[in-house]
Amino acid sequence: GENVEQHPSTLSVQEGDSAVIKCTYSDSASNYFPWYKQELGKRPQLIIDIRSNVGEKKDQRIAVTLNKTAKHFSLHITETQPEDSAVYFCAAGGQNFVFGPGTRLSVLP
Amino acid sequence: ETGVTQTPRHLVMGMTNKKSLKCEQHLGHNAMYWYKQSAKKPLELMFVYSLEERVENNSVPSRFSPECPNSSHLFLHLHTLQPEDSALYLCASSQGAQFSLSYNEQFFGPGTRLTVL
Repeated sequence: GENVEQHPSTLSVQEGDSAVIKCTYSDSASNYFPWYKQELGKRPQLIIDIRSNVGEKKDQRIAVTLNKTAKHFSLHITETQPEDSAVYFCAAGGQNFVFGPGTRLSVLP
Repeated sequence: ETGVTQTPRHLVMGMTNKKSLKCEQHLGHNAMYWYKQSAKKPLELMFVYSLEERVENNSVPSRFSPECPNSSHLFLHLHTLQPEDSALYLCASSQGAQFSLSYNEQFFGPGTRLTVL
């Protein structure tokens, strides 16, 4: 089955700096790669996703890149703000997907 | 409100109790999921139902028993649980497997915080 690793497990950045979270996956059949954000005490919510036929996708301050050959994908957040502080989960799969262990991002004012 | 509700929000039970968690989605989705979230294994998939049929069971102990009577409702029946089963149980729904080439966003409920004494 699919196995997803995620790094780093915790990340602290200064407000305004960029943050990068990296994930690797094991199943070459995976073709859908979503990213979920979970704020403290709240439910996970999708923030961006990418499909295997696309190498990069951007939505305002967030972007995701995918390297299918190397089986890794990354989340990039630019101009970070305190409200970006949360746990971020990557996932890989198809109709169903396996989540990574999460990255706790802290944006320091 | 994302359209997925869960009750109860908090539950404390003894190891000999029997209880049920309820999930309801108002999004017209055809697939529903149970996840367990704990410090040890965040967002661990337990069960998947598509068109009311169970399509995946990730080797979950039999003390957890799911039920999906229709596409809008999902239950998780609990009996003789262990303290290590204490966790946040999240329900989610998506458009579902009938759109086999569609990679669907999962909408999560608020979760049930379960404590097993």
